[in-house]
Amino acid sequence: GESVGLHLPTLSVQEGDNSIINCAYSNSASDYFIWYKQESGKGPQFIIDIRSNMDKRQGQRVTVLLNKTVKHLSLQIAATQPGDSAVYFCAERERAAGNKLTFGGGTRVLVKP
Amino acid sequence: EAGVAQSPRYKIIEKRQSVAFWCNPISGHATLYWYQQILGQGPKLLIQFQNNGVVDDSQLPKDRFSAERLKGVDSTLKIQPAKLEDSAVYLCASSLPGTGGTEAFFGQGTRLTVV
Repeated sequence: GESVGLHLPTLSVQEGDNSIINCAYSNSASDYFIWYKQESGKGPQFIIDIRSNMDKRQGQRVTVLLNKTVKHLSLQIAATQPGDSAVYFCAERERAAGNKLTFGGGTRVLVKP
Repeated sequence: EAGVAQSPRYKIIEKRQSVAFWCNPISGHATLYWYQQILGQGPKLLIQFQNNGVVDDSQLPKDRFSAERLKGVDSTLKIQPAKLEDSAVYLCASSLPGTGGTEAFFGQGTRLTVV
């Protein structure tokens, strides 16, 4: 079946450095790929999405890159701050399946002061 | 704008008992999702509604789990009877349908512990 997975379970980064979180996906029918942030005790929170016909999208301090050739998605966080410490999930939405939203396994980001 | 409301926040039950969770989505959001999140894992979709119709329930253990969304607004998720492996956080999310943005808004979840 379709799956969305991540390579690194935990990422430690120095405050002020850039963070890169990676994700592999398998469902070529997805029309959007999305990154969510989940802090302890809270539900996931939308960060940024990218349409399947795009390669790159930038937000505030975040950039998402999509490589459809190798089915790879990444989230770059610039100048990582202590408030960025959380678990990050990639997800994919398949419009043809009624906007089914499927999540991967998550990467924990720990920001060191 | 009010967010997605879920209750209860925590629940502890014994195995073989039943439990129900409630979700009130954001007003106007036609799409409602229920996810199960086991500790250390990503959310797993259990069921997805579009208004009061089921879009996807392929991963819902139908022998023990049931969900409904009467009138296309609030939703309840029930487990009967509960098993130890049902211990997880149950997340409800809602979103606008259509081809627009993908942002799904999540509630804080209900943490279920089955003992």
